[in-house]
Amino acid sequence: GAVVSQHPSRVICKSGTSVKIECRSLDFQATTMFWYRQFPKQSLMLMATSNEGSKATYEQGVEKDKFLINHASLTLSTLTVTSAHPEDSSFYICSARDGGRLGTYGYTFGSGTRLTVV
Amino acid sequence: GENVGLHLPTLSVQEGDNSIINCAYSNSASDYFIWYKQESGKGPQFIIDIRSNMDKRQGQRVTVLLNKTVKHLSLQIAATQPGDSAVYFCADLKAAGNKLTFGGGTRVLVKP
Repeated sequence: GAVVSQHPSRVICKSGTSVKIECRSLDFQATTMFWYRQFPKQSLMLMATSNEGSKATYEQGVEKDKFLINHASLTLSTLTVTSAHPEDSSFYICSARDGGRLGTYGYTFGSGTRLTVV
Repeated sequence: GENVGLHLPTLSVQEGDNSIINCAYSNSASDYFIWYKQESGKGPQFIIDIRSNMDKRQGQRVTVLLNKTVKHLSLQIAATQPGDSAVYFCADLKAAGNKLTFGGGTRVLVKP
């Protein structure tokens, strides 16, 4: 089945530094990738949608200069949290859509990245 | 705006009993409604989906019911097992927009 690998699974960084999270589709080409943020005991909130080779589309209220998204290939998207602050601490999850599969089956999620900013 | 929400935040169920998880939605334009299972520290896993033109769909031990009249979605899990303990989210998808929108989640605790 479709597999999405997300790294790192956990990261602790100092306030003011930047952190990069990678999301890779291992056995399919991801025409579209999505980045979500999830706070404890809350739902997943979509941050942005990225299509390979084009700029990401950010949801309302998400700062594009703070959360840099790059989708340079059909198998890799990265999310960089720039100048991280403690309020950016959260669980970040990527999802990759297999353009060759119809409907809802084409969406596969990564295992998430727990970011803690100290 | 779009909103997919839930009635119950936590559901405790005895092992072997059936579980019913409910979800209310407000956007009638969605093409699909989906249930995901999320275990602690992991990403969501697809359980089952239903197209907006259907009212019932069955899978292995799971059944999803869609009532468009009252904008209500439910997930029934038969013979709940300890491995079913997780948080369950409903989500909706408008095919044209390709974005999954998630509801608030229900934690299911299975008691042995």
